[in-house]
Amino acid sequence: DAKTTQPPSMDCAEGRAANLPCNHSTISGNEYVYWYRQIHSQGPQYIIHGLKNNETNEMASLIITEDRKSSTLILPHATLRDTAVYYCIVMGAGTASKLTFGTGTRLQVTL
Amino acid sequence: DGGITQSPKYLFRKEGQNVTLSCEQNLNHDAMYWYRQDPGQGLRLIYYSQIVNDFQKGDIAEGYSVSREKKESFPLTVTSAQKNPTAFYLCASTRTARLNTGELFFGEGSRLTVL
Repeated sequence: DAKTTQPPSMDCAEGRAANLPCNHSTISGNEYVYWYRQIHSQGPQYIIHGLKNNETNEMASLIITEDRKSSTLILPHATLRDTAVYYCIVMGAGTASKLTFGTGTRLQVTL
Repeated sequence: DGGITQSPKYLFRKEGQNVTLSCEQNLNHDAMYWYRQDPGQGLRLIYYSQIVNDFQKGDIAEGYSVSREKKESFPLTVTSAQKNPTAFYLCASTRTARLNTGELFFGEGSRLTVL
């Protein structure tokens, strides 16, 4: 599986959009981009995933560049409850393999 | 409801003792994973299993052992050989059937403290 790179931390004011970047320059054609978040001392929670098209659900939007080497997770109206560590990983469809997580981005939403 | 159950949630052990953490899933998932998380750190892969009776070492397998005798169960044993076992342990699973995008489902974790 391809490796990902994320900034270690970001701040965002409540009510504003939080844009979390992720680089995955070695992603292969059949690998999806997944985003998870982990609130303190809990198991990570799935947010969204995509292959090459932009995706949106009730939690977030995922923008993937045309070359698929990077992506951005967008929380359109961040709240204090969105304060968490956000992980970006790439994973092949229909396969099980050595799935590794980086250290993620710690998002702090402030008043 | 389907999901992953880890137990115990909190566990204390004395140095030199082995301890086994349970992970059970009723999602009919093929693949299961164990991760370790230290304070302020990301998730590090200990072991993973793609199918029953098969498992592979992850990045930090030393001092740990696993078994996969049943599809729904993937217990992790932290042995006395693990030098720094105090950590938060997370189990995850994913379905690997063809045409499935393989979303990972996580348990709520087990916090092990060595006294």
